[in-house]
Amino acid sequence: DAGITQSPRYKITETGRQVTLMCHQTWSHSYMFWYRQDLGHGLRLIYYSAAADITDKGEVPDGYVVSRSKTENFPLTLESATRSQTSVYFCASRVGELETQYFGPGTRLLVL
Amino acid sequence: AQTVTQSQPEMSVQEAETVTLSCTYDTSESDYYLFWYKQPPSRQMILVIRQEAYKQQNATENRFSVNFQKAAKSFSLKISDSQLGDAAMYFCAYGQGGKLIFGQGTELSVKP
Repeated sequence: DAGITQSPRYKITETGRQVTLMCHQTWSHSYMFWYRQDLGHGLRLIYYSAAADITDKGEVPDGYVVSRSKTENFPLTLESATRSQTSVYFCASRVGELETQYFGPGTRLLVL
Repeated sequence: AQTVTQSQPEMSVQEAETVTLSCTYDTSESDYYLFWYKQPPSRQMILVIRQEAYKQQNATENRFSVNFQKAAKSFSLKISDSQLGDAAMYFCAYGQGGKLIFGQGTELSVKP
């Protein structure tokens, strides 16, 4: 049981390039989330999805795009990467009605 | 808007001793969840303990327990018999309506 996986685990890119971070979960959870983690800010919600084809903005959505055509996948795209988007990105999915979220291993992104 | 505050950026404890990490939150809701997550150097986010706001009894998971004071909007984590493997960043989180709001984190070091 793989749970929730993210790819790539590490990514270096340049300013202005498009980058897509992948998230895949094997639990068939309805809810999925994308967070970014920066020093001094904890984790901040970028986007979330309640089900396939349903997405909504979180606290810091600017510069990001998401899609969810299948329940198990929730890719996050940086359409034109900026240095301020250098961060660690976590994907998570939610267990039922108990609000508990389980997290993927994270993707460390460096934008030069 | 809900907020979560962890006022202790760093804490230190001697191995086998007890330490308490503080967390306060602000909400006007009556039905919500509270969580403590642990993030070791691997950066994996690991659920430590969960508390449902409607339950008066404090949650306990082995050496980890919480002191939930709903009226005071306080949710502290007590770690008993601290072990070297407890060294990590600890995040308090508030969950309601499917989303989590995280505090800034407390870095716990354990001295042998």
